[in-house]
Amino acid sequence: AQSVTQPDIHITVSEGASLELRCNYSYGATPYLFWYVQSPGQGLQLLLKYFSGDTLVQGIKGFEAEFKRSQSSFNLRKPSVHWSDAAEYFCAVGPVYGGSQGNLIFGKGTKLSVKP
Amino acid sequence: AAGVIQSPRHLIKEKRETATLKCYPIPRHDTVYWYQQGPGQDPQFLISFYEKMQSDKGSIPDRFSAQQFSDYHSELNMSSLELGDSALYFCASSFRLAGLILETQYFGPGTRLLVL
Repeated sequence: AQSVTQPDIHITVSEGASLELRCNYSYGATPYLFWYVQSPGQGLQLLLKYFSGDTLVQGIKGFEAEFKRSQSSFNLRKPSVHWSDAAEYFCAVGPVYGGSQGNLIFGKGTKLSVKP
Repeated sequence: AAGVIQSPRHLIKEKRETATLKCYPIPRHDTVYWYQQGPGQDPQFLISFYEKMQSDKGSIPDRFSAQQFSDYHSELNMSSLELGDSALYFCASSFRLAGLILETQYFGPGTRLLVL
């Protein structure tokens, strides 16, 4: 069965430091991978997505993610974290049903706190 | 740019009451997804519609029903509400290109339902 694992429930980094959020997936074929961010009490905002092609994808707000098939990973990175990045981050995989994307399966999320 | 609209944003109901949540997708989007996010949980897929027909079904209770209308908006009807139904309900929309798998789901701000 398809699944997404985010091993880190909570991460704290200092403002200006680099960030890497881990995401591993289990999927029978090439997945469609997404990172969403959720601020407290808010909806889910798409940061970036991977469908095919270049394995390093750029997103909004200075985020990037790298798809590594050999490691079944899609880790999210940012070289310098800003206080406004404090939020919860969800990795998701889009299974394919009959040629359409179907629903998303989410990881449990990683809560990011940023120290001044 | 226009986003997904959900109404109401907040809803308080008592046990055994009914509730109706509405979702207005991004213009030209033809697919709607419903997700439920319990407190501290990841979003769980409930149901989706494409061109007014049910497309996929997830962990939606029998007490819930949904439909998509001719203008592509969707409503989630919830009856015999239980305390455990208290959650954030997200709607997402996408544009499903026939024969292609290029959907990206864009999420609304959610409806926060509290059942007392």
